[in-house]
Amino acid sequence: AQTVTQSQPEMSVQEAETVTLSCTYDTSESDYYLFWYKQPPSRQMILVIRQEAYKQQNATENRFSVNFQKAAKSFSLKISDSQLGDAAMYFCAYRSATYGNNDMRFGAGTRLTVKP
Amino acid sequence: GAGVSQSPSNKVTEKGKDVELRCDPISGHTALYWYRQSLGQGLEFLIYFQGNSAPDKSGLPSDRFSAERTGGSVSTLTIQRTQQEDSAVYLCASSFRTGGNTEAFFGQGTRLTVV
Repeated sequence: AQTVTQSQPEMSVQEAETVTLSCTYDTSESDYYLFWYKQPPSRQMILVIRQEAYKQQNATENRFSVNFQKAAKSFSLKISDSQLGDAAMYFCAYRSATYGNNDMRFGAGTRLTVKP
Repeated sequence: GAGVSQSPSNKVTEKGKDVELRCDPISGHTALYWYRQSLGQGLEFLIYFQGNSAPDKSGLPSDRFSAERTGGSVSTLTIQRTQQEDSAVYLCASSFRTGGNTEAFFGQGTRLTVV
């Protein structure tokens, strides 16, 4: 089964600064999807951004962008102009594109603290 | 419903008792997932349902854990003879069948405490 690794259990960033969260994954598949989810203290998981592996262009959603390196199997999340509301657990997730094999596998998460 | 609904939101049970956790997915979503999240930890995959296909049970930690999905909609996760290490938040998510890039929508989870 595919594995997702987040090597940073905790990260801290100053408000208005930029922070990058790391994610690597292990797969033998060529077609798949990658996601970053945010989990604030409310426990509600919220999709932040997604990337299709067949697309070379990095996904961007407002202040959130990814650096997708397919050969290196790396999928980092960059948060620009960090805000206090960005403080949360962030989870990287992998999903196969193979028909009938669409379960999602998550990393262990990175807890992001935003300092005012 | 508007979102994925899980019940109860909190459950305290005595060691050795059986518990049932319920998940109502978003209407029309054929894929349903169960995850376990221990305190401050990541999401541990438990089981995955996709339409009428046989579920992927590869993540269930022991034979005390089982799950059903009736009529392709509501799902129940059952833990028999609960142990203290079963204490965790159990998250359910659902998504459309087609397209691996479709978002999985999560419920707010059931916090299970075994005393």
